[in-house]
Amino acid sequence: DSGVTQTPKHLITATGQRVTLRCSPRSGDLSVYWYQQSLDQGLQFLIQYYNGEERAKGNILERFSAQQFPDLHSELNLSSLELGDSALYFCASKPTPDSLYGYTFGSGTRLTVV
Amino acid sequence: DQQVKQNSPSLSVQEGRISILNCDYTNSMFDYFLWYKKYPAEGPTFLISISSIKDKNEDGRFTVFLNKSAKHLSLHIVPSQPGDSAVYFCAASAINNNDMRFGAGTRLTVKP
Repeated sequence: DSGVTQTPKHLITATGQRVTLRCSPRSGDLSVYWYQQSLDQGLQFLIQYYNGEERAKGNILERFSAQQFPDLHSELNLSSLELGDSALYFCASKPTPDSLYGYTFGSGTRLTVV
Repeated sequence: DQQVKQNSPSLSVQEGRISILNCDYTNSMFDYFLWYKKYPAEGPTFLISISSIKDKNEDGRFTVFLNKSAKHLSLHIVPSQPGDSAVYFCAASAINNNDMRFGAGTRLTVKP
């Protein structure tokens, strides 16, 4: 157990639907990152939050949004889902953005859009 | 944009031999590099890192080499063990930057 909790582990939904992925960072970590891993692709950075505020955006689609709550958990909202959104979505946390240590990753949520 | 590239999708080695995984990057602003290991159904786990002020970092059986002029790093595993079989991701960031760029990963298989 890495200390980063992601729920649900698996999600199957239809095109056009909306889903919410949840992440609880490791205790004490203030910075949360979301990554997408599609088939045969590396981990694509989506978005980062630090202590409740958005800090950086990567290749995140406009149909996707995220937020970090006062208790530091984060949610990634994916809407108007398309088949191509099927992927593994990872959440990772660090104590602060400047921490030299690497991320601690959760075990991911596998999203299947049918 | 593929700022971090792992050109070998897979690598197979015999137990006890050396495994060498390669990674190239294009962004000269990167100054911190990491390797992550991923087993099926688990998230990536941090393995070893190196900052740009060094050219080598060693941790047990794992050594990372950095060649800044070539924008190349490699991970050496000696001796390789069957438990090392996993997908290895190379990652890079600029210190004080907010995100990390990952390569596509190399699947290492260590045969008994």
